Amino acid sequence: EIVLTQSPGTLSLSPGERATLSCRASQSVSSSSLAWYQQKPGQAPRLLIYGAFSRATGIPDRFSGSGSGTDFTLTISRLEPEDFAEYYCQQYGRSPVTFGQGTKLDIK
Amino acid sequence: EAQLLESGGGLVQPGGSLRLSCAASGVTFTFSSYTMSWVRQAPGKGLERVSGITGSGGNTYYADSVKGRFTISRDNSKNTLYLQMNSLTADDTAVYYCAKGGTMYPFDNWGQGTLVTVSS
Repeated sequence: EIVLTQSPGTLSLSPGERATLSCRASQSVSSSSLAWYQQKPGQAPRLLIYGAFSRATGIPDRFSGSGSGTDFTLTISRLEPEDFAEYYCQQYGRSPVTFGQGTKLDIK
Repeated sequence: EAQLLESGGGLVQPGGSLRLSCAASGVTFTFSSYTMSWVRQAPGKGLERVSGITGSGGNTYYADSVKGRFTISRDNSKNTLYLQMNSLTADDTAVYYCAKGGTMYPFDNWGQGTLVTVSS
């Protein structure tokens, strides 16, 4: 099983700042089958990024994904108030599909 | 975009059973063509894919934590996904989401979730 470790656990920033979230895999993620999800309290997760760097439909371009192999990054270029939420990475290239433990992005 | 609507959650005693359903409506995708999954989230915890099923229903996946107790199925004529949960324990307490996606596919469409509480 591929274990995904996200860092930091919590990231405290202000609106307008840049956020950098990390996801490290215990084994190489095949075909860059790495996704990022955003989850707000009481809501279902929402797909932000798939294939490591492709934005899902309707996702603003301030969200970007990068990385390959075992190291991946989600960057939010300029934080908007609605971006403060929990973020999860996921690998879906190899069974079992696994998720990271999450990074909470909160307002400083 | 298709909407996924879960139902069937509730309070159940340890050892009991529940059947969750996930109905796809306003379908803009051919339901039968896509792998579907059940993902759960225990209170204050992260996400865990517990089960998945291919479009035809011919292949299924179960997490070790539910293997032998949960059964996933689908009725493509009704655009509906199911999860039969037996021998429930407190560790199964979670919000259960259905999602379009699985191995080799990102989870690009999620239901709103249904809460399952296992308690005496």
